[in-house]
Amino acid sequence: NAGVTQTPKFQVLKTGQSMTLQCAQDMNHEYMSWYRQDPGMGLRLIHYSVGAGITDQGEVPNGYNVSRSTTEDFPLRLLSAAPSQTSVYFCASSLRGLYNEQFFGPGTRLTVL
Amino acid sequence: SQQGEEDPQALSIQEGENATMNCSYKTSINNLQWYRQNSGRGLVHLILIRSNEREKHSGRLRVTLDTSKKSSSLLITASRAADTASYFCATDANNYQLIWGAGTKLIIKP
Repeated sequence: NAGVTQTPKFQVLKTGQSMTLQCAQDMNHEYMSWYRQDPGMGLRLIHYSVGAGITDQGEVPNGYNVSRSTTEDFPLRLLSAAPSQTSVYFCASSLRGLYNEQFFGPGTRLTVL
Repeated sequence: SQQGEEDPQALSIQEGENATMNCSYKTSINNLQWYRQNSGRGLVHLILIRSNEREKHSGRLRVTLDTSKKSSSLLITASRAADTASYFCATDANNYQLIWGAGTKLIIKP
């Protein structure tokens, strides 16, 4: 099993550009989440999904969209990138729920100029 | 908002020594988890302890939970260079998400 995969590993955007961060898992997990990690802070939840076709907002959803058309894929879209979105983004999945053991991808380091 | 706060922020010890880091939280929880993050990598789950448990072991890891003090500790015994990483606690205080601390950066010196 590949586990949770994320692409790209690194990305540089200009302010106002849009892009999609890809996330896929091959563990048949229903629960998936997107987090951002900033220096000196804990992970903050952007969006989450409890199954295909179901998504909801987390703590910091502004400027991001998600969709969950399949169990495997959970892409994160930046609509119009801003320097405040410079961060490391992690996708995670879980078998038993949002409160239980999370399996993380390797992350995408995004810089917005 | 940060629910879990790790202490200390950074810890540097000699290889072979024990490392202890703490996590405090603010509201009632059902469970608390500890994760490790090696530099430039994703987080890896270490251990989950439920609110009705006081202590849990996994290999060289020992986690304690004191719900009356709203705190948990992670002890790594006989540390190794490979234990160099950041360690995070996460609690299930909200009804849809885990709340994460800012982490303890552990450095094991050879």
